Amino acid sequence: ETGVTQSPTHLIKTRGQQVTLRCSSQSGHNTVSWYQQALGQGPQFIFQYYREEENGRGNFPPRFSGLQFPNYSSELNVNALELDDSALYLCASSSWDLQETQYFGPGTRLLVL
Amino acid sequence: DQQVKQNSPSLSVQEGRISILNCDYTNSMFDYFLWYKKYPAEGPTFLISISSIKDKNEDGRFTVFLNKSAKHLSLHIVPSQPGDSAVYFCAASPGRGSSNTGKLIFGQGTTLQVKP
Repeated sequence: ETGVTQSPTHLIKTRGQQVTLRCSSQSGHNTVSWYQQALGQGPQFIFQYYREEENGRGNFPPRFSGLQFPNYSSELNVNALELDDSALYLCASSSWDLQETQYFGPGTRLLVL
Repeated sequence: DQQVKQNSPSLSVQEGRISILNCDYTNSMFDYFLWYKKYPAEGPTFLISISSIKDKNEDGRFTVFLNKSAKHLSLHIVPSQPGDSAVYFCAASPGRGSSNTGKLIFGQGTTLQVKP
Protein backbone atom coordinates (compact mmCIF):
# COMPACT_ATOMS: atom_id res chain seq x y z
CA GLU A 1 0.00 0.00 0.00
CA THR A 2 1.46 3.33 -1.09
CA GLY A 3 1.07 6.24 1.31
CA VAL A 4 0.39 9.87 0.55
CA THR A 5 3.26 11.59 -1.24
CA GLN A 6 3.83 15.29 -1.82
CA SER A 7 6.21 17.30 -3.96
CA PRO A 8 8.32 19.28 -3.66
CA THR A 9 9.47 18.92 -0.07
CA HIS A 10 10.69 22.49 0.18
CA LEU A 11 10.14 25.60 -1.91
CA ILE A 12 11.28 29.21 -1.76
CA LYS A 13 9.31 31.88 -3.62
CA THR A 14 9.12 35.65 -3.60
CA ARG A 15 6.09 37.77 -2.87
CA GLY A 16 3.71 38.03 -5.83
CA GLN A 17 4.81 34.79 -7.46
CA GLN A 18 2.64 31.75 -8.03
CA VAL A 19 3.23 28.22 -6.73
CA THR A 20 1.88 24.74 -7.48
CA LEU A 21 2.12 21.94 -4.95
CA ARG A 22 1.38 18.32 -5.82
CA CYS A 23 -0.08 15.37 -3.95
CA SER A 24 -0.60 11.71 -4.74
CA SER A 25 -3.25 10.07 -2.61
CA GLN A 26 -2.92 6.77 -0.81
CA SER A 27 -3.97 3.82 -2.95
CA GLY A 28 -7.68 3.12 -2.62
CA HIS A 29 -8.50 6.68 -1.57
CA ASN A 30 -10.64 8.99 -3.71
CA THR A 31 -10.85 12.15 -1.58
CA VAL A 32 -8.07 14.68 -1.06
CA SER A 33 -7.98 17.52 1.46
CA TRP A 34 -5.42 20.29 1.78
CA TYR A 35 -4.34 21.99 4.99
CA GLN A 36 -2.04 24.87 5.87
CA GLN A 37 0.00 24.61 9.05
CA ALA A 38 1.65 27.77 10.32
CA LEU A 39 4.48 27.51 12.82
CA GLY A 40 3.24 26.54 16.26
CA GLN A 41 -0.35 26.01 15.11
CA GLY A 42 -2.51 23.10 14.15
CA PRO A 43 -3.33 22.43 10.49
CA GLN A 44 -6.08 24.61 9.00
CA PHE A 45 -8.46 23.22 6.39
CA ILE A 46 -8.12 24.85 2.96
CA PHE A 47 -10.40 22.71 0.77
CA GLN A 48 -11.36 19.18 -0.17
CA TYR A 49 -11.68 17.49 -3.56
CA TYR A 50 -13.88 14.56 -4.53
CA ARG A 51 -14.73 13.40 -8.04
CA GLU A 52 -12.52 16.16 -9.41
CA GLU A 53 -14.67 18.87 -7.83
CA GLU A 54 -14.17 21.09 -4.81
CA ASN A 55 -16.25 19.78 -1.94
CA GLY A 56 -16.03 22.40 0.75
CA ARG A 57 -13.65 25.21 1.48
CA GLY A 58 -12.20 26.77 4.59
CA ASN A 59 -11.55 30.42 5.26
CA PHE A 60 -9.02 30.96 2.48
CA PRO A 61 -9.17 33.55 -0.35
CA PRO A 62 -9.82 32.63 -4.00
CA ARG A 63 -6.13 32.91 -4.84
CA PHE A 64 -5.90 29.45 -3.24
CA SER A 65 -7.25 27.02 -5.82
CA GLY A 66 -6.94 23.35 -6.54
CA LEU A 67 -7.46 20.50 -8.92
CA GLN A 68 -8.08 16.81 -8.63
CA PHE A 69 -7.23 14.43 -11.47
CA PRO A 70 -8.90 11.18 -12.58
CA ASN A 71 -6.23 9.19 -10.72
CA TYR A 72 -7.23 11.09 -7.54
CA SER A 73 -3.97 13.01 -7.35
CA SER A 74 -4.31 16.71 -6.64
CA GLU A 75 -2.67 20.11 -6.97
CA LEU A 76 -2.81 23.18 -4.78
CA ASN A 77 -2.17 26.47 -6.54
CA VAL A 78 -1.53 29.74 -4.78
CA ASN A 79 -1.41 32.98 -6.77
CA ALA A 80 -0.01 36.34 -5.74
CA LEU A 81 1.96 34.90 -2.87
CA GLU A 82 2.10 36.87 0.37
CA LEU A 83 4.62 36.63 3.18
CA ASP A 84 1.96 35.08 5.44
CA ASP A 85 1.58 32.17 3.01
CA SER A 86 4.85 30.81 4.40
CA ALA A 87 3.80 27.56 6.05
CA LEU A 88 3.77 23.79 5.83
CA TYR A 89 1.17 22.63 3.30
CA LEU A 90 -0.27 19.22 4.04
CA CYS A 91 -2.25 16.97 1.79
CA ALA A 92 -4.47 14.26 3.26
CA SER A 93 -6.32 11.47 1.52
CA SER A 94 -9.30 9.39 2.58
CA SER A 95 -12.10 7.35 1.14
CA TRP A 96 -15.34 9.23 0.64
CA ASP A 97 -17.17 6.77 2.88
CA LEU A 98 -14.71 7.41 5.73
CA GLN A 99 -13.68 10.95 4.90
CA GLU A 100 -13.20 11.89 8.53
CA THR A 101 -10.23 9.53 8.85
CA GLN A 102 -7.54 11.22 6.83
CA TYR A 103 -3.99 10.13 6.16
CA PHE A 104 -1.43 12.85 5.70
CA GLY A 105 1.58 13.23 3.48
CA PRO A 106 4.90 14.64 4.71
CA GLY A 107 4.02 18.16 3.57
CA THR A 108 5.64 20.86 1.47
CA ARG A 109 7.46 23.62 3.35
CA LEU A 110 6.88 26.92 1.52
CA LEU A 111 8.89 30.01 2.33
CA VAL A 112 7.81 33.32 0.79
CA LEU A 113 10.43 36.08 0.84
CA ASP B 1 -12.64 31.60 17.40
CA GLN B 2 -10.82 28.41 18.35
CA GLN B 3 -13.37 25.59 18.17
CA VAL B 4 -10.87 22.94 19.28
CA LYS B 5 -8.45 23.76 22.07
CA GLN B 6 -5.49 22.00 23.56
CA ASN B 7 -4.69 24.16 26.55
CA SER B 8 -1.42 22.48 27.50
CA PRO B 9 1.35 23.37 25.04
CA SER B 10 3.66 20.76 26.54
CA LEU B 11 3.74 17.72 28.79
CA SER B 12 6.68 15.81 30.25
CA VAL B 13 6.35 12.31 31.72
CA GLN B 14 8.68 9.54 32.82
CA GLU B 15 9.04 6.42 30.71
CA GLY B 16 6.58 3.74 31.83
CA ARG B 17 4.12 6.19 33.35
CA ILE B 18 0.81 7.34 31.91
CA SER B 19 0.58 10.32 29.55
CA ILE B 20 -2.75 12.15 29.47
CA LEU B 21 -3.35 14.69 26.72
CA ASN B 22 -6.47 16.81 26.86
CA CYS B 23 -8.65 18.53 24.29
CA ASP B 24 -11.77 20.69 24.57
CA TYR B 25 -14.21 21.68 21.86
CA THR B 26 -17.03 24.17 21.62
CA ASN B 27 -19.09 23.09 18.61
CA SER B 28 -21.83 20.60 19.49
CA MET B 29 -22.07 19.65 15.80
CA PHE B 30 -18.76 17.80 16.05
CA ASP B 31 -19.47 14.11 15.75
CA TYR B 32 -16.13 12.43 15.19
CA PHE B 33 -12.81 13.01 16.90
CA LEU B 34 -9.30 11.97 16.05
CA TRP B 35 -5.81 12.11 17.52
CA TYR B 36 -2.72 12.54 15.37
CA LYS B 37 0.95 12.36 16.26
CA LYS B 38 3.52 14.48 14.46
CA TYR B 39 7.28 14.15 14.39
CA PRO B 40 9.43 17.01 13.05
CA ALA B 41 9.71 17.07 9.24
CA GLU B 42 6.88 14.54 8.88
CA GLY B 43 3.16 14.83 8.29
CA PRO B 44 0.67 14.00 11.06
CA THR B 45 0.18 10.26 11.63
CA PHE B 46 -3.30 9.01 12.49
CA LEU B 47 -3.39 7.38 15.93
CA ILE B 48 -6.92 6.70 17.06
CA SER B 49 -10.45 8.03 16.62
CA ILE B 50 -13.80 7.98 18.36
CA SER B 51 -17.35 8.53 17.27
CA SER B 52 -19.71 10.53 19.46
CA ILE B 53 -21.85 7.44 20.02
CA LYS B 54 -19.04 6.00 22.14
CA ASP B 55 -17.29 7.27 25.23
CA LYS B 56 -14.14 5.17 24.96
CA ASN B 57 -12.01 3.58 22.28
CA GLU B 58 -8.89 1.53 22.84
CA ASP B 59 -6.05 0.53 20.56
CA GLY B 60 -3.08 -1.06 22.25
CA ARG B 61 -1.37 1.48 24.49
CA PHE B 62 -3.67 4.27 23.32
CA THR B 63 -7.13 4.99 24.72
CA VAL B 64 -9.33 7.93 23.86
CA PHE B 65 -12.10 9.04 26.19
CA LEU B 66 -14.96 11.30 25.13
CA ASN B 67 -17.15 13.28 27.52
CA LYS B 68 -19.83 14.85 25.32
CA SER B 69 -21.56 16.77 28.09
CA ALA B 70 -18.29 18.46 29.01
CA LYS B 71 -17.19 18.71 25.36
CA HIS B 72 -13.89 17.18 26.37
CA LEU B 73 -11.74 14.37 25.09
CA SER B 74 -8.48 12.92 26.30
CA LEU B 75 -5.81 10.58 25.00
CA HIS B 76 -4.17 8.19 27.45
CA ILE B 77 -0.88 6.51 26.59
CA VAL B 78 0.08 3.65 28.88
CA PRO B 79 2.90 2.87 29.33
CA SER B 80 4.63 5.88 27.79
CA GLN B 81 7.78 5.22 25.78
CA PRO B 82 10.54 7.62 24.65
CA GLY B 83 9.46 7.01 21.03
CA ASP B 84 6.11 8.58 21.91
CA SER B 85 7.83 11.98 22.18
CA ALA B 86 6.14 14.09 19.51
CA VAL B 87 3.49 16.76 19.00
CA TYR B 88 -0.05 15.44 19.47
CA PHE B 89 -3.02 17.07 17.76
CA CYS B 90 -6.66 16.44 18.41
CA ALA B 91 -9.07 17.05 15.56
CA ALA B 92 -12.84 17.14 15.20
CA SER B 93 -15.23 16.69 12.32
CA PRO B 94 -18.91 17.55 11.98
CA GLY B 95 -21.17 14.55 11.58
CA ARG B 96 -22.57 12.83 8.55
CA GLY B 97 -25.27 14.86 6.91
CA SER B 98 -23.34 18.04 7.47
CA SER B 99 -21.81 19.76 4.47
CA ASN B 100 -18.67 20.09 6.57
CA THR B 101 -18.10 16.39 7.16
CA GLY B 102 -14.43 15.60 6.77
CA LYS B 103 -13.30 19.19 7.19
CA LEU B 104 -11.12 18.51 10.19
CA ILE B 105 -10.70 21.24 12.78
CA PHE B 106 -7.43 20.87 14.69
CA GLY B 107 -6.23 22.01 18.07
CA GLN B 108 -2.91 23.80 18.46
CA GLY B 109 -1.07 20.68 19.57
CA THR B 110 0.63 19.46 22.74
CA THR B 111 4.31 18.54 22.73
CA LEU B 112 4.87 15.35 24.70
CA GLN B 113 8.30 14.50 26.03
CA VAL B 114 8.82 11.06 27.51
CA LYS B 115 12.00 10.90 29.55
CA PRO B 116 13.95 7.62 29.81
